[in-house]
Amino acid sequence: QSVLTQPTSVSGTPGQRVTISCSGGSSNIGSSTVNWYQQVPGTAPTVLIFSNNERPSGVPDRFSGSKSGTSASLAISGLQSEDEADYYCAAWDDSLKSWVFGGGTKLTVL
Amino acid sequence: QVQLVQSGGGVVQPGRSLRLSCAASGFTFNTYIMHWVRQPPGKGLEWVALISFAGDKEYYADSVKGRFAISRDNSKNTLYLQLNSLTADDTAVYYCARALSPRAHNDFWGQGTLVTVSS
Repeated sequence: QSVLTQPTSVSGTPGQRVTISCSGGSSNIGSSTVNWYQQVPGTAPTVLIFSNNERPSGVPDRFSGSKSGTSASLAISGLQSEDEADYYCAAWDDSLKSWVFGGGTKLTVL
Repeated sequence: QVQLVQSGGGVVQPGRSLRLSCAASGFTFNTYIMHWVRQPPGKGLEWVALISFAGDKEYYADSVKGRFAISRDNSKNTLYLQLNSLTADDTAVYYCARALSPRAHNDFWGQGTLVTVSS
């Protein structure tokens, strides 16, 4: 059981907007910034969003992140077929003194 | 260009040991925190360990504490993970990754190396 809770799967059609939630607690999301990683199966993860809502250069502005209290969200607008991947949230946990990941969300573009 | 090239994976029997390596190039290795993250087949990501810039401070996930040891050789630009007392639950693809600080995101990852624990 992951410390951070994500939906197992989400889906949408091209052009749609989807959101992926990440729920934690006061020792992780509540006191730390959240990062989001995208992983195409068979490849290494890449950072999509860092520090709650910052995009690395090269990441389209269709991707956005937000955080409120002990929850965070990743939003993807203008859904494209190449967005089909697994998405993970991550945060430092002050109680565990470790990084924690969400269980991952599989995005399917219908 | 930035590279993290991993080696050392393979098939190992339960109870045995293995050492993974991650050779860095294209950046100043000793100015980055280094992590190991693993992913069991068909499952999600699990953070394993991180090591400080100079290698004098380490943090571990509870699942590997006392069995795994992270280390680095800044003169060789190489990160290591010593895996001891391996069990089937340690079967996973192991990734090394860098970060600018202990609380920062991992901005670059290695290609991953598969460790299979099986008799």
